[in-house]
Amino acid sequence: DAKTTQPPSMDCAEGRAANLPCNHSTISGNEYVYWYRQIHSQGPQYIIHGLKNNETNEMASLIITEDRKSSTLILPHATLRDTAVYYCIVRVEALIFGTGTRLQVFP
Amino acid sequence: DAGVIQSPRHEVTEMGQEVTLRCKPISGHDYLFWYRQTMMRGLELLIYFNNNVPIDDSGMPEDRFSAKMPNASFSTLKIQPSEPRDSAVYFCASSLARFGGDTEAFFGQGTRLTVV
Repeated sequence: DAKTTQPPSMDCAEGRAANLPCNHSTISGNEYVYWYRQIHSQGPQYIIHGLKNNETNEMASLIITEDRKSSTLILPHATLRDTAVYYCIVRVEALIFGTGTRLQVFP
Repeated sequence: DAGVIQSPRHEVTEMGQEVTLRCKPISGHDYLFWYRQTMMRGLELLIYFNNNVPIDDSGMPEDRFSAKMPNASFSTLKIQPSEPRDSAVYFCASSLARFGGDTEAFFGQGTRLTVV
């Protein structure tokens, strides 16, 4: 069973930051938080992951609360190509996907 | 590396026929995962392997489904006999094995299976 809770959908204006929240209140100390996205029916694409510290890469930033019970994925300047379903996953070995957040970026 | 390679990309078959989906993981990866995606059930983990050994097959829906990994560079997912409700997109993914899950998994482009 998925161990995360995400809003089903969000909108964001092109060029603005998209902040996607995720709750994972039952996360264990050794479990990582992963974010993937799926554009249309392509294979899921890795975005970023973290354990307890905030992380940043060329695609996004990941902010994890101090108690690790929630996190936020930040796309700093959303483009139309960022329209996708975004999945927040708590992983030990295998990735178990929930229903994700459908992000719609509009012009 | 070309990434995770799945074949075929599309498969249309008649009910009752045997279907074999193939996956070539990224070279050097120790884990291989099979997923199925439908509108109704989303992305479901079917089975995964570590060093060619099946670790968890609890997601395999029925005995009609079987998966093998004869070597580190090849895996198959077989459905026999196929049924219309097996129609879905099947994804394969691979990742390195590291303690604690500190490694990303890479997905193939999927096989779209239609059983008529």
